[in-house]
Amino acid sequence: DADVTQTPRNRITKTGKRIMLECSQTKGHDRMYWYRQDPGLGLRLIYYSFDVKDINKGEISDGYSVSRQAQAKFSLSLESAIPNQTALYFCATSDLGTSGPNTGELFFGEGSRLTVL
Amino acid sequence: AQKVTQAQTEISVVEKEDVTLDCVYETRDTTYYLFWYKQPPSGELVFLIRRNSFDEQNEISGRYSWNFQKSTSSFNFTITASQVVDSAVYFCALSEWNTGFQKLVFGTGTRLLVSP
Repeated sequence: DADVTQTPRNRITKTGKRIMLECSQTKGHDRMYWYRQDPGLGLRLIYYSFDVKDINKGEISDGYSVSRQAQAKFSLSLESAIPNQTALYFCATSDLGTSGPNTGELFFGEGSRLTVL
Repeated sequence: AQKVTQAQTEISVVEKEDVTLDCVYETRDTTYYLFWYKQPPSGELVFLIRRNSFDEQNEISGRYSWNFQKSTSSFNFTITASQVVDSAVYFCALSEWNTGFQKLVFGTGTRLLVSP
């Protein structure tokens, strides 16, 4: 089983609908992230969290919200989806340094492809 | 502010050719890490290498090699004798000490197409 699991893997929805992407991890990492990938733009950070009480905006947080329900769970919500949120979304984790070197290395889920019509 | 530039949007080669993917970074920090990730057509992101700013030794792993040069702020990736399975998008990324290595900043990626 994958250490970082994203659900759903693929989703097609309509403009205005509320969508939640879920992420769970078994790596025991404190840090969790949501990135968005668009062709030609690389990966851009949406939100990140260093523990259940810590939520931080990334560079493109508008139109998104997150919830850190537990150390192992970090969900991303689109309250009212719009077509330009069509993208590949990645959840990732990293180690704070308590069980390994603190380098910023990310461990990614397999991605969730979202299409907003 | 940290920044990573991958100027090559797409590279096409024929199998067995050598190919180099360029990565140039900007940082004011003296302590940082550089990374390469591979994204094959299936979409997942695969970690390839991590290098800290104090280690400028080149690294070789099979057909893959990395050339880290602080003088030119570059961390280039070379695939020797490319194969069709090397076709993927490759991302270079940077994390800095002054952010507690809290965030990884990615380049826009280079798509490598290796044809038979």
